[in-house]
Amino acid sequence: DAKTTQPNSMESNEEEPVHLPCNHSTISGTDYIHWYRQLPSQGPEYVIHGLTSNVNNRMASLAIAEDRKSSTLILHRATLRDAAVYYCILRTQGGSEKLVFGKGTKLTVNP
Amino acid sequence: DAGVIQSPRHEVTEMGQEVTLRCKPISGHDYLFWYRQTMMRGLELLIYFNNNVPIDDSGMPEDRFSAKMPNASFSTLKIQPSEPRDSAVYFCASSPGQGKNEKLFFGSGTQLSVL
Repeated sequence: DAKTTQPNSMESNEEEPVHLPCNHSTISGTDYIHWYRQLPSQGPEYVIHGLTSNVNNRMASLAIAEDRKSSTLILHRATLRDAAVYYCILRTQGGSEKLVFGKGTKLTVNP
Repeated sequence: DAGVIQSPRHEVTEMGQEVTLRCKPISGHDYLFWYRQTMMRGLELLIYFNNNVPIDDSGMPEDRFSAKMPNASFSTLKIQPSEPRDSAVYFCASSPGQGKNEKLFFGSGTQLSVL
């Protein structure tokens, strides 16, 4: 599977936007970009995914660079409940159905 | 739907004992995954099944670990004999089907402590 690179940690203030970056310079043309997050003491949960176009859902927005070598998960107004580890994952064409997690970005939200 | 259900929530055992972790996937999901999470190694995929058949067990650490899926609604992960280094949180996840945009749904995990 293609690799992703994320900062180890980020901090934000409550009710401010958060932009979580992810680099994936070796992405293939049909790789989907997935984001999951893991709240403390819980299993990971799906956040959003995309292929080429920017995506929005009730949880977040995903901005994908034109060359697809990077993407950004956007939380429009961070809350304390958004404090979690955020994982950016590529699902590779021809790869199996398994999801391979990296180390992710630990987001701290300050009140 | 109740989501993916794992039991027990916590397990404390002594070295050498057999441990069995259980998982009930979401009804209708064709894929089931077992992950292990530790501080040192993060989230590791151990094994996954498609329609009850093991597809990839390359992440299973050694022969002490075994996993079964006797039917579409139940899977077990067994460790025999258990060792202190097996202490971790074990997650089960299920997914509706094939496709690179399919989501995984995770259970709440089993916290295993081997003394």
